Amino acid sequence: KQEVTQIPAALSVPEGENLVLNCSFTDSAIYNLQWFRQDPGKGLTSLLLIQSSQREQTSGRLNASLDKSSGRSTLYIAASQPGDSATYLCAVRRSGGTNAGKSTFGDGTTLTVKP
Amino acid sequence: GAVVSQHPSWVICKSGTSVKIECRSLDFQATTMFWYRQFPKQSLMLMATSNEGSKATYEQGVEKDKFLINHASLTLSTLTVTSAHPEDSSFYICSVGGYTFGSGTRLTVV
Repeated sequence: KQEVTQIPAALSVPEGENLVLNCSFTDSAIYNLQWFRQDPGKGLTSLLLIQSSQREQTSGRLNASLDKSSGRSTLYIAASQPGDSATYLCAVRRSGGTNAGKSTFGDGTTLTVKP
Repeated sequence: GAVVSQHPSWVICKSGTSVKIECRSLDFQATTMFWYRQFPKQSLMLMATSNEGSKATYEQGVEKDKFLINHASLTLSTLTVTSAHPEDSSFYICSVGGYTFGSGTRLTVV
């Protein structure tokens, strides 16, 4: 059974700081991994999707890496801003067959960026 | 990715009543949709896979008679929470194709 762990559970940083969020998973036979942002009481906003064959993906100030063999992914946020404050979720998607499309989520990292 | 509309955004109901939540794929014909549940301060847990034209498949521990799923068309899946109890209060969110998520429904049972 796939288990996804995110560390730290909460993080508070001053504005402008670069930071790294960590995600680890127990079963390396994944199809892809996706990072989401969730604001309080809201749905999920997709940030980055990394296929199992890829090592990293970048979008603006965000960079996500994937090391499938070691079961780890990191989300790097550069020059953090108060608007980045949210909970960040890592979701690991299983390989095909009956598991196609199903995601296992981590518990998230709640980020607070102080002005 | 697909554009997903989930309705209602929030609902309050009395214990013992049933509540229906809709998930619509606005620009993509989805043969498969997924329903997740998120309790406060916890992550999303997959409840069931909604299959167009056939029965939903439920994850272990999810009562299929309590959480009725209907996927009658390629653009609409519904989740009905039957005989709701306070412990069913949660955030329910659907996914189209596994990659795009709805905005979620906050259910409060009083």
